[in-house]
Amino acid sequence: AQSVTQPDIHITVSEGASLELRCNYSYGATPYLFWYVQSPGQGLQLLLKYFSGDTLVQGIKGFEAEFKRSQSSFNLRKPSVHWSDAAEYFCAVASDSNYQLIWGAGTKLIIKP
Amino acid sequence: GAGVSQSPRYKVAKRGQDVALRCDPISGHVSLFWYQQALGQGPEFLTYFQNEAQLDKSGLPSDRFFAERPEGSVSTLKIQRTQQEDSAVYLCASSLQGARTYEQYFGPGTRLTVT
Repeated sequence: AQSVTQPDIHITVSEGASLELRCNYSYGATPYLFWYVQSPGQGLQLLLKYFSGDTLVQGIKGFEAEFKRSQSSFNLRKPSVHWSDAAEYFCAVASDSNYQLIWGAGTKLIIKP
Repeated sequence: GAGVSQSPRYKVAKRGQDVALRCDPISGHVSLFWYQQALGQGPEFLTYFQNEAQLDKSGLPSDRFFAERPEGSVSTLKIQRTQQEDSAVYLCASSLQGARTYEQYFGPGTRLTVT
């Protein structure tokens, strides 16, 4: 069965510092991979997605993620975080035959001033 | 409207009551999804519609949960005889069809508390 693991429940970084949020998935075939952000009181917003092709994917708000098949990972990165990036981040996986998204438990990002 | 809307935003129900949660998808979006998000967890899939057809209801936790989308637009998730374990945020998402089905746009959710 497909599964997604986000090993870090929460991460604290200083404003202006770089960020990497980890995501590992379990899936037999080539997965479709997603990162979403959820701010308090807001709906989930799609940051970026990977279907195929270039393994480095650019998203909105200056985020990027890299698909590494050998490590079954799809880590999210940002070179310099802003206080407005404080939110909860979710990694999700889907298959090419099933539109269900399978979600990780989320990583809460805390920004230190 | 500009985005997916859900109502009510908050619902408190006494155990045993029936509730109905509404989702208004983005106009023109063929696909509609319901997810359940427990506190501190990621969302879990409940059901999926393409237009008015419910193509997948494998995530509905029990026969107390029922979803419909009779005209292929607005959808209602109904929970009968609510139990405390039903307390969660219920998220609705919509998307275009084909490969764009994966690009799901989410509403703000309905927070259900069962007392």
